Amino acid sequence: DAGVIQSPRHEVTEMGQEVTLRCKPISGHDYLFWYRQTMMRGLELLIYFNNNVPIDDSGMPEDRFSAKMPNASFSTLKIQPSEPRDSAVYFCASIQGQAQNIQYFGAGTRLSVL
Amino acid sequence: GDSVTQMEGPVTLSEEAFLTINCTYTATGYPSLFWYVQYPGEGLQLLLKATKADDKGSNKGFEATYRKETTSFHLEKGSVQVSDSAVYFCALSLYNFNKFYFGSGTKLNVKP
Repeated sequence: DAGVIQSPRHEVTEMGQEVTLRCKPISGHDYLFWYRQTMMRGLELLIYFNNNVPIDDSGMPEDRFSAKMPNASFSTLKIQPSEPRDSAVYFCASIQGQAQNIQYFGAGTRLSVL
Repeated sequence: GDSVTQMEGPVTLSEEAFLTINCTYTATGYPSLFWYVQYPGEGLQLLLKATKADDKGSNKGFEATYRKETTSFHLEKGSVQVSDSAVYFCALSLYNFNKFYFGSGTKLNVKP
């Protein structure tokens, strides 16, 4: 398997623009997680899905952030409108629940909002 | 609440030195414990894990023992290499696997 695939790897945008980050989990994995990593706050869990259903979005910072998982092989994290403080590396991870409970991470998307 | 606390970094060592990175946890149930490693520009990848008390996880010369009595899972390596330079994260997950708690990460710099 190719692992968790995230796109784009790098995104540079201007304040106020809409940003969409994409994630393809490992086939057969039924949990998907979105994290944000910054120097100041470390690794923060934003939201996670089980079988495409959002289970806990308490980590989503505000209404500007939204996440969807329309099917088992695709998820998006959208920021609208973006702000400079959203600049961070965003990671997607997936696991197969009830089996070894090991999270597999994508390579991340480095977002810069100017 | 459930949480993980690990030592602040950065940790700077010379090649072949002994490494210890401390990790302690707080959990309401019986967690599984993990060490993840993040190399520059990459995502986190599993280094080792332990699922019950007294288990020892090991990989690539790294070891950590699940100590329930001290709620600890310290990472050790007898002789570090320059290629071990990375950020190391301690983490726990509870029996239902659906929530993971990560420590703040410890950056390791190994000098030749």
